[in-house]
Amino acid sequence: QVVLTQSPSASASLGASVKLTCTLSSGHNYYAIAWHQRHPEKGPRHVMTLNSDGSHSKGDGIPDRFSGSSSGPERYLTISRLQSEDEADYYCQTWGTDFVIFGGGTKLTVL
Amino acid sequence: AQLVESGGGVVQPGRSPRLSCATSGFTFSASGMHWVRQPPGKGLEWVATISSDETFKYYADSVKGRFIISRDNSKNRLYLQMNSLGAEDTAVYYCARSPQYSSTWSFDFWGQGTLVTVSS
Repeated sequence: QVVLTQSPSASASLGASVKLTCTLSSGHNYYAIAWHQRHPEKGPRHVMTLNSDGSHSKGDGIPDRFSGSSSGPERYLTISRLQSEDEADYYCQTWGTDFVIFGGGTKLTVL
Repeated sequence: AQLVESGGGVVQPGRSPRLSCATSGFTFSASGMHWVRQPPGKGLEWVATISSDETFKYYADSVKGRFIISRDNSKNRLYLQMNSLGAEDTAVYYCARSPQYSSTWSFDFWGQGTLVTVSS
């Protein structure tokens, strides 16, 4: 069964860039994932779906400051020119024929 | 797309509430649909998935045999029948959509969630 691993926390300064990582378990390098953003007291928001080749499709209204890339089992979400509203929890998600899996989430703090 | 959950609240252990997700703004019958929950202080946990035509239903091990996912394509609604509830089922429950006409279980829209608190 595939497992997704995320660092529990990340931080970066206002206006800087940050790269969040989601790691697929061994043998699952080809899985696509989705990134989701969740602010407290709000429902999650789809940020992008990211393929193993790095191609990605962003969710509705997601600004160009958000980009995705892939390398082997790693799936990245890069947020450039950080703004205060980017402070949130970020979850990666993947799926198979009969299951859906989430990573543990990364809490992003904008300093 | 809009997804609005309802049916949450304080529920006694062992009771059997049904959650509902009203949808609009897209072709409901063209999308796989899902329930996901988030227990207090924890991360997102997938609960169940149903295909667009209700042919396929999948469940997390933690709810298999207790929860039933269903949908009414004529009413654009998704449901989650929750049976034999325990304290571990306390969570905010979200409904989510997969892209229309897609064969994947990526989620591209979410509801705001409804809180279910299991307590006597």
